[in-house]
Amino acid sequence: KNQVEQSPQSLIILEGKNCTLQCNYTVSPFSNLRWYKQDTGRGPVSLTIMTFSENTKSNGRYTATLDADTKQSSLHITASQLSDSASYICVVSPLKGGGNKLTFGTGTQLKVEL
Amino acid sequence: ETGVTQTPRHLVMGMTNKKSLKCEQHLGHNAMYWYKQSAKKPLELMFVYNFKEQTENNSVPSRFSPECPNSSHLFLHLHTLQPEDSALYLCASSHPGTGNEQYFGPGTRLTVT
Repeated sequence: KNQVEQSPQSLIILEGKNCTLQCNYTVSPFSNLRWYKQDTGRGPVSLTIMTFSENTKSNGRYTATLDADTKQSSLHITASQLSDSASYICVVSPLKGGGNKLTFGTGTQLKVEL
Repeated sequence: ETGVTQTPRHLVMGMTNKKSLKCEQHLGHNAMYWYKQSAKKPLELMFVYNFKEQTENNSVPSRFSPECPNSSHLFLHLHTLQPEDSALYLCASSHPGTGNEQYFGPGTRLTVT
């Protein structure tokens, strides 16, 4: 069964600090891996996308890494801001199957405090 | 806000009520999805429509009834719901096919009393 596990479940950091969120998956073969940000009361919004051949992808202060051999991905947030407080969801698309075969993680709830 | 809108944003209904959730996308996509998001659980896919045809029903109880009159609109009709159906219901759209990004609406927060 395809699974995506994320850690930690929740995290509290001070504004300006860096943090790293983890994602382990069993989906194989896969087409791509995305990190979504979901603000409270909003739908998820895509931050980064990586195919199996990519190792890293940046979007401003967000940097995602991928190790396809160990089936692990991480999302690193640099110089955190209060607006980074949200849930971060790792989503893996299989190589076949279309949009109905996405596997979602449960998310990491990040809170950035003053 | 993305190009996917959902109404209402909040809904409280009794177990004997009938209500409908509406989703509209302005992105020119041909695939639309309904998801259920409960606390501490991954998003659960409920229904998929490709080019207005339902292509996936993920063992969803019949008290949830989807309708897709065209590629831009998607409805979820609700009747005789249970308290455990309380959740955030998200609509998404994408181009059909594997790996295409799904764009999500803001969701409808549903509470069943």
